[in-house]
Amino acid sequence: DTEVTQTPKHLVMGMTNKKSLKCEQHMGHRAMYWYKQKAKKPPELMFVYSYEKLSINESVPSRFSPECPNSSLLNLHLHALQPEDSALYLCASSQGKRASGYTFGSGTRLTVV
Amino acid sequence: QKEVEQDPGPLSVPEGAIVSLNCTYSNSAFQYFMWYRQYSRKGPELLMYTYSSGNKEDGRFTAQVDKSSKYISLFIRDSQPSDSATYLCAMSEKGAQKLVFGQGTRLTINP
Repeated sequence: DTEVTQTPKHLVMGMTNKKSLKCEQHMGHRAMYWYKQKAKKPPELMFVYSYEKLSINESVPSRFSPECPNSSLLNLHLHALQPEDSALYLCASSQGKRASGYTFGSGTRLTVV
Repeated sequence: QKEVEQDPGPLSVPEGAIVSLNCTYSNSAFQYFMWYRQYSRKGPELLMYTYSSGNKEDGRFTAQVDKSSKYISLFIRDSQPSDSATYLCAMSEKGAQKLVFGQGTRLTINP
């Protein structure tokens, strides 16, 4: 079992809905990440939180809003998404600031209708 | 030119074969090199992690890094059907928080 837990595993939402993706880790990692992965493509970085502060935003549209309530939790708030935002959303964590040896969650498969 | 190039395959080999997966890269600042395995509809799982050049072995898996050639490899010995997955190489600069991934190679091991 992965040590990074993501909920829900699947989500279908309309373009006017507001939903949130959740991620939790209890490994004491201080960096947490959101990635987006389209079918047959590698993961693409969206956001990085380091010591609970947003350190990287890869020019992600404002309809995606990250939040890090504490060192173990990471949320991704979704609003007014487009069908092209349908993808696998992956959360990951790593020890310290160095991007070595990420641990990924199993992901949330999001479908926007 | 992409920073990291990886042949997407698909690659199909018989059970028991030795599999060789490769990536090339252009950024000489990359210091950390990783291989991830991703099963269908799952998140990537870290298989091997190497710092700078050299070899690392873990069971049936061997990772090699040749920084002079900007080339990394993953060898799988005695391949099993359970090794069928997409294999992603990834690398990062020292102190960086961002991983740069290859396209991933789809591997099928036939019984």
